[in-house]
Amino acid sequence: EPEVTQTPSHQVTQMGQEVILRCVPISNHLYFYWYRQILGQKVEFLVSFYNNEISEKSEIFDDQFSVERPDGSNFTLKIRSTKLEDSAMYFCASSDSGGYNEQFFGPGTRLTVL
Amino acid sequence: DAKTTQPPSMDCAEGRAANLPCNHSTISGNEYVYWYRQIHSQGPQYIIHGLKNNETNEMASLIITEDRKSSTLILPHATLRDTAVYYCIVRPHNYGQNFVFGPGTRLSVLP
Repeated sequence: EPEVTQTPSHQVTQMGQEVILRCVPISNHLYFYWYRQILGQKVEFLVSFYNNEISEKSEIFDDQFSVERPDGSNFTLKIRSTKLEDSAMYFCASSDSGGYNEQFFGPGTRLTVL
Repeated sequence: DAKTTQPPSMDCAEGRAANLPCNHSTISGNEYVYWYRQIHSQGPQYIIHGLKNNETNEMASLIITEDRKSSTLILPHATLRDTAVYYCIVRPHNYGQNFVFGPGTRLSVLP
């Protein structure tokens, strides 16, 4: 069964450093998403991406964040200058061409900012 | 904010049916009811979704009341591996619409 994959599973970084989180969505999906979950809190939407541009973003997704689909398979989330409060699980998700239906989530990347 | 209300926690005996309620009294006509679950800190896992008819798949059944103001997710024979946080989400039927997660119900399946 096809699945969303994410790398790395755990990333440790120093405050102020740039990090790139990588995702490989399900191959025939065209809608891509990033969510995050701070430890003990709710899953929060960050951004959606379709046709090589951002469709929607939340208030959390400020100028420190960017997304990119550098090739036909990868979808990345970049945090330019990490803060302590960026420590969280980051989940990538994808959905099929209609975007109406369920989103399939990856296993997540645990980001720890020291 | 999430448009649903769920009990914060529930217990269920292994092998018994788990019935998880959800209230969505302000649901709109174009909004579907989705259920996801999250085991430990893994990514949310899709379970089932529906508009107004009852739905069943290999994982669960979804019962939606006639007025669509509430629903129940049924896991027919709960196992220990079903211990997770279950999220009930209402979502408009739009292109690329994101999901808004609430705190969910923490289901503990007890041996």
